[in-house]
Amino acid sequence: GAGVSQSPRYKVAKRGQDVALRCDPISGHVSLFWYQQALGQGPEFLTYFQNEAQLDKSGLPSDRFFAERPEGSVSTLKIQRTQQEDSAVYLCASSLELVSELTDTQYFGPGTRLTVL
Amino acid sequence: AQRVTQPEKLLSVFKGAPVELKCNYSYSGSPELFWYVQYSRQRLQLLLRHISRESIKGFTADLNKGETSFHLKKPFAQEEDSAMYYCALTGEINTDKLIFGTGTRLQVFP
Repeated sequence: GAGVSQSPRYKVAKRGQDVALRCDPISGHVSLFWYQQALGQGPEFLTYFQNEAQLDKSGLPSDRFFAERPEGSVSTLKIQRTQQEDSAVYLCASSLELVSELTDTQYFGPGTRLTVL
Repeated sequence: AQRVTQPEKLLSVFKGAPVELKCNYSYSGSPELFWYVQYSRQRLQLLLRHISRESIKGFTADLNKGETSFHLKKPFAQEEDSAMYYCALTGEINTDKLIFGTGTRLQVFP
């Protein structure tokens, strides 16, 4: 079946522009995560949804970052008034949310590379 | 604070040589530890997790709680093992968010 998909794959924005990044999780996956990966770094957690509920947004770096998942499936990460330091690869991951004490496997999308000029 | 440290940015070996990618962590509770791999032009994917205690593609990793380490090992490296390897942990209740290290690039030369 299809994996996690993200669009666009590449985005170039001028400083101050707003951008919207889309994530289509694997069908039926309850949990959805956003990560930010700066050049030469590992992915860093941004926010987490369980269905449409945003349960953790502790990783969002500023109030310019906003994420939503209104129907519990597709999610959008929006960045307002982009800054150069927002340049990074934005990764989306989804997991099934099995009823278990173990952590579910997260399946990652290909990422969106955002470059802010 | 939760932290994952991968001290080596780059590890280069010849085919057939043993490989050990180091990972140390700091966490106050009982985390789950993972290794993720990203091959060239592919997406990040799970390689193995300490809970399953299995060998994947010849790789193993043992959780050492005393040394807070989760090193990834393979006795005989293959060229197709060349990739970025990320160690990660999770452990917070009610969230499965992953805390990643900075990654180690493994290069296996023929």
